[in-house]
Amino acid sequence: GAVVSQHPSRVICKSGTSVKIECRSLDFQATTMFWYRQFPKQSLMLMATSNEGSKATYEQGVEKDKFLINHASLTLSTLTVTSAHPEDSSFYICSARGPGRSRTSGAYEQYFGPGTRLTVT
Amino acid sequence: DQQVKQNSPSLSVQEGRISILNCDYTNSMFDYFLWYKKYPAEGPTFLISISSIKDKNEDGRFTVFLNKSAKHLSLHIVPSQPGDSAVYFCAARGTAKRGGADGLTFGKGTHLIIQP
Repeated sequence: GAVVSQHPSRVICKSGTSVKIECRSLDFQATTMFWYRQFPKQSLMLMATSNEGSKATYEQGVEKDKFLINHASLTLSTLTVTSAHPEDSSFYICSARGPGRSRTSGAYEQYFGPGTRLTVT
Repeated sequence: DQQVKQNSPSLSVQEGRISILNCDYTNSMFDYFLWYKKYPAEGPTFLISISSIKDKNEDGRFTVFLNKSAKHLSLHIVPSQPGDSAVYFCAARGTAKRGGADGLTFGKGTHLIIQP
């Protein structure tokens, strides 16, 4: 099946520094990837849609200058949290739109990475 | 505003019985609904989905029912097995006011516990 990896799995950084998180589709090409954030006991919240070769589309309320997204190839998207603050501490998960449509629903499935736990001190 | 709601944070079911997880939504623009299963420290795994033009979709032990008039969907797992213990997320896709057509809106999840 389609596999998505994320690196690192967890990172601790100091306030004011920047952190880069990588999302890779390992056995398929993904023209579209998504970045989500999950706070404790909350649902996954879509942050942005990343399209290969073009600018990312950000959700309302997500600062594009703070969360830089680069989708430089068909298998890699990166999320850079710039000038991180403690309130940016969260679980960040990426997903990649699968290569084909679901046989039962006809929709493109999304395959999720294992997530990255970011702690800003 | 929570557009996808899972009102039961947890559910305990005996092994072999039926597990029913519920989900409500408010946005009538959603056109696909999906269920994901998530283990701790892992990303969500796709389980089953349903198009808004259908009212039922079945895949093995998993069946999803959609009631558009009530804006309600449910996931049935039968028979429930110990390996089904996980957090289940309901998600919706569509031309919601935020984001693109493929971005998913998730509920908060329901922790399903299968008791032996």
